[in-house]
Amino acid sequence: QKEVEQNSGPLSVPEGAIASLNCTYSDRVSQSFFWYRQYSGKSPELIMSIYSNGDKEDGRFTAQLNKASQYVSLLIRDSQPSDSATYLCAVNNAGNMLTFGGGTRLMVKP
Amino acid sequence: DAGVTQSPTHLIKTRGQHVTLRCSPISGHKSVSWYQQVLGQGPQFIFQYYEKEERGRGNFPDRFSARQFPNYSSELNVNALLLGDSALYLCASSFFPHTEAFFGQGTRLTVV
Repeated sequence: QKEVEQNSGPLSVPEGAIASLNCTYSDRVSQSFFWYRQYSGKSPELIMSIYSNGDKEDGRFTAQLNKASQYVSLLIRDSQPSDSATYLCAVNNAGNMLTFGGGTRLMVKP
Repeated sequence: DAGVTQSPTHLIKTRGQHVTLRCSPISGHKSVSWYQQVLGQGPQFIFQYYEKEERGRGNFPDRFSARQFPNYSSELNVNALLLGDSALYLCASSFFPHTEAFFGQGTRLTVV
């Protein structure tokens, strides 16, 4: 079974701290990796994509990929209350479909 | 530029009825995918279309069908609705099947 696993949380961090969100996947042929943010009652919003091993930074967000360990993570620096949402990890395998994890709920407390 | 648009935004249907959901992709995008999201879970893949051909199908019954039109818009059809079909239905578009996918606002379907 091709799966994407995330800790459901909630992950609670104080405002200004670094939030670290983790995701593991089972399909070794996975090629593309994405992080989506979803506010309650809204649709997922793409925030990061990563395709090769290493780090990719975009503003306060850093995505990290380790294909050998089948692990992808998202770091949010200087967390703000507006970052409070569910973060979905998605993996695109050779079949071109996106497989999503269950999401991690992040709470940033002022 | 307009993003992915879906219609309707909300829908209430009775068990056994049929429903059609519609999606217009971002201009220039040729791939459209459909997902079902039940409360508290991640989206589940239903279909993917690229250049008007089905490129992928998820683990959903034959009551679910879809198609893509020459202008790359798409519709999802669900027959013989069950209570368990109540969910948020999401459409995502991308340039190619494996590239970044952008979601519409979704259609909230309630089956009573």
